[in-house]
Amino acid sequence: EPEVTQTPSHQVTQMGQEVILRCVPISNHLYFYWYRQILGQKVEFLVSFYNNEISEKSEIFDDQFSVERPDGSNFTLKIRSTKLEDSAMYFCASGQGDKETQYFGPGTRLLVL
Amino acid sequence: AQSVTQPDIHITVSEGASLELRCNYSYGATPYLFWYVQSPGQGLQLLLKYFSGDTLVQGIKGFEAEFKRSQSSFNLRKPSVHWSDAAEYFCAAYSGNTPLVFGKGTRLSVIA
Repeated sequence: EPEVTQTPSHQVTQMGQEVILRCVPISNHLYFYWYRQILGQKVEFLVSFYNNEISEKSEIFDDQFSVERPDGSNFTLKIRSTKLEDSAMYFCASGQGDKETQYFGPGTRLLVL
Repeated sequence: AQSVTQPDIHITVSEGASLELRCNYSYGATPYLFWYVQSPGQGLQLLLKYFSGDTLVQGIKGFEAEFKRSQSSFNLRKPSVHWSDAAEYFCAAYSGNTPLVFGKGTRLSVIA
């Protein structure tokens, strides 16, 4: 069964450094999403992406964040200058259509020191 | 604002006992509703979903959920819990013009 994959599974970085989180969505899906889950808190929507552009973003998704689909398979989340409060689990998800069921990857646990 | 509430932070049940996890939503119209499960160190796995139609939906791993419009609820049930069901369970919802909103989750512990 096809699934969403994410790399790396864990990343530790210094405050102020740039990080890129990678995702490979399910191949025939057209909508892509990033969510984050700060330890002990709920899963929060960051951004949705369709047709090579952002379709929706939350207040969390400020200028420090960007997303890209650099090729036909990868979908990346870049944090330009990480802050301590960016430490969280980041989930990628994909879906076939807008407002369709979203399938989640295993997540990348980011720790900013 | 739209919200999803899971009133129980942590529930402990005995193996073989029945389970019900509560979920309430606050939306202007009936949203699409989902239950996801997160095992330790794992991602979010879809258990089941409700879009419309039959209010009792069946999912994977023997789970089911019942949509009750009058109570704005979408509770998850399982008649007999297995030790492998120990995990975090998330209820989620979205409507036509809002992104997916999650509840805070309910952690399920299973004891012998």
